[in-house]
Amino acid sequence: NAGVTQTPKFQVLKTGQSMTLQCAQDMNHNSMYWYRQDPGMGLRLIYYSASEGTTDKGEVPNGYNVSRLNKREFSLRLESAAPSQTSVYFCASGGVDQPQHFGDGTRLSIL
Amino acid sequence: AQSVTQLGSHVSVSEGALVLLRCNYSSSVPPYLFWYVQYPNQGLQLLLKYTSAATLVKGINGFEAEFKKSETSFHLTKPSAHMSDAAEYFCAVTKGNQGGKLIFGQGTELSVKP
Repeated sequence: NAGVTQTPKFQVLKTGQSMTLQCAQDMNHNSMYWYRQDPGMGLRLIYYSASEGTTDKGEVPNGYNVSRLNKREFSLRLESAAPSQTSVYFCASGGVDQPQHFGDGTRLSIL
Repeated sequence: AQSVTQLGSHVSVSEGALVLLRCNYSSSVPPYLFWYVQYPNQGLQLLLKYTSAATLVKGINGFEAEFKKSETSFHLTKPSAHMSDAAEYFCAVTKGNQGGKLIFGQGTELSVKP
């Protein structure tokens, strides 16, 4: 029972580089989410997808884009990485009458 | 707008002592409330949830939380701390269905002393 799988687990980038964080869930959930976690700030929502084919901005969307590829997969892209985007990124999925389930995170450092 | 405040970024207790982690929320509509736990280098795991049924909610690992509307609180308790309870704990709120957007508190790191 994999649940929510995130790749990669760790990544180091240089300022200005781009990369895509991948997320897949096998629980048949309609909704998927991307959060970032920074010390003392809890988790903040970047983008979410209420259902396949839809995406919406969360609290901190600037500098990010997302793609809901299908019901299982929801990717997060950094087009031009900045040091302020150094963080731990979590993907989650949820559905009607189902609380959110989280992946193990991607630890991203931008130099 | 909804918000969550967790009082105390760090809480330290002795093994066997009562654990009390505080959470207050603000919401213009009846909320759904959650407590999650995060162990080092892992994702968040659901401890328990309140969804307008019983006000006293029991979760995993002996934790429970009581929803008090008059105090807008949802404090997490455990009668007797265990070393394995050392982790970071997050309170979160959402409105509407449980798959909705979560608003998280800042987190409370729990340390358990032998």
